Formats: sequence, structure tokens, C-alpha cells
Amino acid sequence: NAGVTQTPKFQVLKTGQSMTLQCAQDMNHNSMYWYRQDPGMGLRLIYYSASEGTTDKGEVPNGYNVSRLNKREFSLRLESAAPSQTSVYFCASTGPTGTDTQYFGPGTRLTVL
Amino acid sequence: GEDVEQSLFLSVREGDSSVINCTYTDSSSTYLYWYKQEPGAGLQLLTYIFSNMDMKQDQRLTVLLNKKDKHLSLRIADTQTGDSAIYFCAERISGGYNKLIFGAGTRLAVHP
Repeated sequence: NAGVTQTPKFQVLKTGQSMTLQCAQDMNHNSMYWYRQDPGMGLRLIYYSASEGTTDKGEVPNGYNVSRLNKREFSLRLESAAPSQTSVYFCASTGPTGTDTQYFGPGTRLTVL
Repeated sequence: GEDVEQSLFLSVREGDSSVINCTYTDSSSTYLYWYKQEPGAGLQLLTYIFSNMDMKQDQRLTVLLNKKDKHLSLRIADTQTGDSAIYFCAERISGGYNKLIFGAGTRLAVHP
């Protein structure tokens, strides 16, 4: 049981390049989330997926797109990267446990030059 | 609006108790959480408390909730160097999806 996995761990992009961050969970969770973490700030929600086949915007969705490929996988795409998207990105998932605990992946550190 | 505030830094001596404080604004919070983040790692759930509880104890961790003042604290007894990390307070907002609002995190430094 690996929990929540993310790839890649590190990535450097040039302004205008595109890339997809991958996330997968093996806990049979319905809900999945993408956050970004910036210095001195808490985590901010980019997009979430309440269940397979649905996605919705969070607090800071501009410049990002997501795909809930199946129940396990939830990807985040940057179509045209900007320096303001330099951040650490975390994926999380939640199961119907009653406590609504979110379980986090190890993160992807992205630098946009 | 929804906001969670924490002090940014705490330094304690090894063996002492640490108390990390958090205030939140949304009175409809159902659960409140403490997460720990070690360098280069993701967030790990430490403990949580349901909003109708005042206190929860889990080994060296004690969570106190003052719902009237919207104040949450995490006490770590006998703090060890392995406790050095960033601690995030988060509140779950009721209604809609499982929305968590995070504080900016408190960096705990444990020195000999």
C-alpha cells in the first residue's frame, strides 16, 4: 500500500513550456486534490475532484488544468508555465472515513525560469 | 471570510513541552487537524479533533480546542529533535466538498 504517489519529484521548466504532474492513490479514495505550497503561506487548493469523472476549481485555478483519468489517478497540467507557478505541488486524497482526513503525496518541486 | 492563523516560529529546548497555537475564523468548522511536514516531505496527519470536543490526547500529543474563542493548540510533551518540523493547523469547512483551510505553518526548532 503506497498511499499517494507523485511524479516527478523535481522539475525545472522554461517560461512557456508545458508539463503534466502525475498523482495516483491506491486507497480506493473517491476525492482527490491538488495544492500548491509557497513560502510563508499555507497550502492553497488549485483543483479538486470529488469523484471519478468530476473536477472543480479551487482557490487558485488560473493557469492549470486537471484530468481525473480514473479513480486512482488525478493529473495537473500547466499549459504554458510562468515563473509565478514556481512552487511545491502536493496531491492529496480522501476516503469516506467520517473524519475526512486528507492524505498527502510527497510533493513535486517545480521551478519555472 | 475563512482564515487560519499561526505564529511562524517556535524554538524549544529538548525535553521541554512545545505549544503551538492556531486561531480560525469559521464557526462552522467540523474537524480541525494538525499536520506535520518534515523537510522535503509531504504533510503527515498527526491528529485531529472533532469540533464538539474540548481535548484529545494521543501519547505525547494533546490537542485543546476552545470553540468560543476559535482557538486550537497542539502540545508536544518531552519534545525531541525528531519533532523539528513545520506544523500546520487546518480546519474543515462544513458543506460542499471536503474543503480544508490551512494556516501558514509553525516551524518548530528543537535545540539541545
